[in-house]
Amino acid sequence: QKEVEQNSGPLSVPEGAIASLNCTYSDRVSQSFFWYRQYSGKSPELIMSIYSNGDKEDGRFTAQLNKASQYVSLLIRDSQPSDSATYLCAVNIFGGMRFGAGTRLTVKP
Amino acid sequence: GAGVSQSPSNKVTEKGKDVELRCDPISGHTALYWYRQSLGQGLEFLIYFQGNSAPDKSGLPSDRFSAERTGGSVSTLTIQRTQQEDSAVYLCASSFIDEHEQFFGPGTRLTVL
Repeated sequence: QKEVEQNSGPLSVPEGAIASLNCTYSDRVSQSFFWYRQYSGKSPELIMSIYSNGDKEDGRFTAQLNKASQYVSLLIRDSQPSDSATYLCAVNIFGGMRFGAGTRLTVKP
Repeated sequence: GAGVSQSPSNKVTEKGKDVELRCDPISGHTALYWYRQSLGQGLEFLIYFQGNSAPDKSGLPSDRFSAERTGGSVSTLTIQRTQQEDSAVYLCASSFIDEHEQFFGPGTRLTVL
């Protein structure tokens, strides 16, 4: 089992819709969870961090964490074409960050 | 500096040569991480430093790879006797403390001919 798993996609949503990205992780003791966005040819950039169970909202982005189910998700409301990118889920495991393979999101105008 | 910097931005080398990649983290960040990303692939964790020590070297692909960090700041990733499969983008990231948000540098694109 991979340490961090994501649906590779591609995920395609129309402009204005909600995009839902999911991630599961294997290490029950992980305490820190992150979502990064990576445009083609660029470095990952941090979107959200979440440390406690529940929801965390930041503008159009909402991160959701369920430690019992070892599940973290990212919702993007009112999706824009500029949101088209690969979204990486990251989990801190024993000090080293482990990344999922990423989900490619395309928002169609 | 304002962000993580890496040098060189691009490196082309011949198979069998040694290369050194440099990372300069954000000032004040104690944790530093190296990753590798092959074309179209996810991020592969290589090594992380807390201060000058490396608690986790488990991601280094082989003994041809080594890394050091001095003065709690700059880090160098060295690849000896490069192979074509070493071709990738090498990314460095730093964070204020372990388990905190990581911020990435622009990466070094390594091409081994």
